Amino acid sequence: DVKVTQSSRYLVKRTGEKVFLECVQDMDHENMFWYRQDPGLGLRLIYFSYDVKMKEKGDIPEGYSVSREKKERFSLILESASTNQTSMYLCASSSGGGRGNQPQHFGDGTRLSIL
Amino acid sequence: AQSVTQLDSQVPVFEEAPVELRCNYSSSVSVYLFWYVQYPNQGLQLLLKYLSGSTLVKGINGFEAEFNKSQTSFHLRKPSVHISDTAEYFCAVSLSNDYKLSFGAGTTVTVRA
Repeated sequence: DVKVTQSSRYLVKRTGEKVFLECVQDMDHENMFWYRQDPGLGLRLIYFSYDVKMKEKGDIPEGYSVSREKKERFSLILESASTNQTSMYLCASSSGGGRGNQPQHFGDGTRLSIL
Repeated sequence: AQSVTQLDSQVPVFEEAPVELRCNYSSSVSVYLFWYVQYPNQGLQLLLKYLSGSTLVKGINGFEAEFNKSQTSFHLRKPSVHISDTAEYFCAVSLSNDYKLSFGAGTTVTVRA
């Protein structure tokens, strides 16, 4: 089974802090994704990466950046955390074979609170 | 760009009753369709997917969905639900030439005894 592991289940930070969310997958997947999940809005894509050191903006990239130095690891960075970034963050991965038809596999999420 | 609409935000249902969750999408090109389930305090788990072929797709835990191209719909059904089916369900769409998924807002299913 694919395992996507997010480093923290719960995280509390203060406004203005630089926050790192880490995600590791063990299935040699090419694609990795970061979403935020808010009630009534579903999942919204922040950034994704289809290869090491490659990244593309999703629908809501403002206030975030990402890093992918190794194939198995994809980090989400909140450069200066703000209260409106309080949310559930989900990481996912998928194989690169065939665009669009590969299901994404999700981690259990990080519930981030910015005070 | 594609969009996904889940027509019901909350669906209460009694145990052993049938349930249908409605999903409509808009896209001008071919799409792939997915249903995911999220149990409390967990990530999303794939229930089923439609890529091509038969429009009736069977998934895990007794769920099935039907793709209707003319109505641009992909409704999820289960003939008899259990308490353990209480969860949030997400419909998602990807374009045939893109890795990205677009998600609906989710439908919360609450199964009561």
